[in-house]
Order: sequence, then structure tokens, then C-alpha cells
Amino acid sequence: DVKVTQSSRYLVKRTGEKVFLECVQDMDHENMFWYRQDPGLGLRLIYFSYDVKMKEKGDIPEGYSVSREKKERFSLILESASTNQTSMYLCASSITGQGRAIHEQYFGPGTRLTVT
Amino acid sequence: SQKIEQNSEALNIQEGKTATLTCNYTNYSPAYLQWYRQDPGRGPVFLLLIRENEKEKRKERLKVTFDTTLKQSLFHITASQPADSATYLCALGNTGGFKTIFGAGTRLFVKA
Repeated sequence: DVKVTQSSRYLVKRTGEKVFLECVQDMDHENMFWYRQDPGLGLRLIYFSYDVKMKEKGDIPEGYSVSREKKERFSLILESASTNQTSMYLCASSITGQGRAIHEQYFGPGTRLTVT
Repeated sequence: SQKIEQNSEALNIQEGKTATLTCNYTNYSPAYLQWYRQDPGRGPVFLLLIRENEKEKRKERLKVTFDTTLKQSLFHITASQPADSATYLCALGNTGGFKTIFGAGTRLFVKA
């Protein structure tokens, strides 16, 4: 079974702090994603990566950055946390099929971040 | 802009009945549509994928239809059980792209 783990289930940070969220997958997937989930808004894509050291902006990248130095690990960085970044953060991974066919995403358990 | 609509109101049904959830979309022509299940405090779990050239797909008690003319997918759970209670998300995407657009989900409650 694919396993996607996230470094923390719950995190409380102060406004202005730099925050690191870590995600690790154990199935050698090429693609990794960071989403945030807010009530009534669904999952919104922050950043994704289709290879080591490669990254692409999603729909809401402002205030975030990412790092992918190893295939299995994808980090999300909040450069200076703000209260409007209080949310559930979900990491996911997927394989790239032949002809770049889309496959399902495997999600981690999520990190509930509160910025005070 | 691209938009996915799922019924924001919770669906309450009796055990044994068929639950039907709806996913409508606008300003988009997806190559595929996925359904995920999400339990409280957990990440979504993939259930089914249906492609634009497929009208219907089944997996055990689950059935998904995909009508690209109506821009709608229906997700059915037959013989529903209390354990089916969860939030169900639909998601759309295109082959060759990495961006999958998720709906906000519909909460399903199955009463014993």
C-alpha cells in the first residue's frame, strides 16, 4: 500500500513565523502535491512537483514556497505565517502513466495548522 | 473560470437505500473525473476514475456515470451502510496535465 506521511497532525504557530510542513511518500511516485482545504472551498492546489527539483505553481501559491530535493520528500514552506493561512494542509502523490495519463492521487492524513 | 458544484447540503438516507450524489461542472472539458471519500480529520481516499469516453463505471456497490453533454457525474452507493457515512469529493482533470480540480464535497449520513 502507498503510504504518504506528513510531519505533524496539528501545528500552532505565531504570525510571522517561518513554518515547514514535510511530506514523505514511499512508493517512488514522480508527482507530489500540496493542497489546502477550507470549509466550503474544497481542495485548492498550492504547488506541485513532477520531478526532483522541479516545481509548478498551483492556484494559490502566494505566501508559500516548496522544496523537493529528494524524490520521496516534498516540503511546503510558509515564509511568514499569517492568520489567513490557518487551514488543513494535505500532501498527495501520484505516478505518471504512459502518455502522461492521469492516475489517482494518494493523500497524507493532513496537517491542521493554526496561526495565531 | 472553471467551477465544480457539489451539493453543499448533507444527504441523509436510511440504511439499505441507494445514495446518489451529484457533481456538476462548468467552463471545463475534462478528460476524466474521479471520486474520493474523505472521513473527518483524514485525507481523501480514491474510489473511482471514469474517462470522458466512458458512460458508466462500477466497483462493488459503487457506480459512477459521466455525461459530458450535461456536464454532470452521478455517484451511486447501493445498499448503503452506516460505514458509508463520509464526505465524497469529485475531481476533474485533463490528460497531460497535473492539475486536478476538486469540488467541496457532499456529506453523506447513512442511518441504521
